[in-house]
Amino acid sequence: AQSVTQPDIHITVSEGASLELRCNYSYGATPYLFWYVQSPGQGLQLLLKYFSGDTLVQGIKGFEAEFKRSQSSFNLRKPSVHWSDAAEYFCAVASPNSNDYKLSFGAGTTVTVRA
Amino acid sequence: DTEVTQTPKHLVMGMTNKKSLKCEQHMGHRAMYWYKQKAKKPPELMFVYSYEKLSINESVPSRFSPECPNSSLLNLHLHALQPEDSALYLCASSQDSGDEQYFGPGTRLTVT
Repeated sequence: AQSVTQPDIHITVSEGASLELRCNYSYGATPYLFWYVQSPGQGLQLLLKYFSGDTLVQGIKGFEAEFKRSQSSFNLRKPSVHWSDAAEYFCAVASPNSNDYKLSFGAGTTVTVRA
Repeated sequence: DTEVTQTPKHLVMGMTNKKSLKCEQHMGHRAMYWYKQKAKKPPELMFVYSYEKLSINESVPSRFSPECPNSSLLNLHLHALQPEDSALYLCASSQDSGDEQYFGPGTRLTVT
C-alpha cells in the first residue's frame, strides 16, 4: 500500500526567509506526486505536480519541488516566503496505473510566517 | 478555467433533516470526487465517479448518498446525519485516473 509521510507537523519561518517542506513516500514504483496548499476554511489548491521527466518541478506562487528517487522524496521549496504563504501544505501521491483514482495524502504541515 | 464550484458554502442541519450539497465543473473532467475533511487533517476520500458511474465507495454510511446527474454535476444527499459528520466537504474533479485533482472551496457542514 502506498503511504506519504510529512515529518514536520508545524514549521515557523520569518517573512523573506527560505522554506523547505519535506515529503517521503512509500510505493512500489514511482507514483505521481503532488503538492497542495490549503488556506484556512478554503479548498485545496494545486501548487505543482510530478509525473515524469525533469526532477525539478516549478509550480505556482514561486514554489518548486525536487523529486529524488533514491530517497523516495519530493520536497517543496520556496526561496523567499511571503506572509500570504501561511497555510496548510499537503503532499499527495497517486498511482500511475489506470483505473486507480485514489490520492493518498500526507498528514500535512502547517506553515506559520512571522513578520 | 480550472474552477470547481460548490454550494452552499455553509450548511447547518439537524439530525432529522434532509439536505444536498452540490458541485459543478466545466473543465470536461471525467472523474469527480467527494472528500470529507476534519480540522487539521488531510481530506478523506468518500466517493469517486468515473464517466458518471460510481467507481469507488469508501465504505461510507448510507446516510450519505452521492448522485452524478451528468458529467458536470455531482451531488451529495444527506439524511439523518450525526454530529460527528460535521466537517468540511470537498468536491474535486480530474481529467482521468491519476491526473491532478482540482478542488472546490468546500461546504462547511454543521450537524446539530
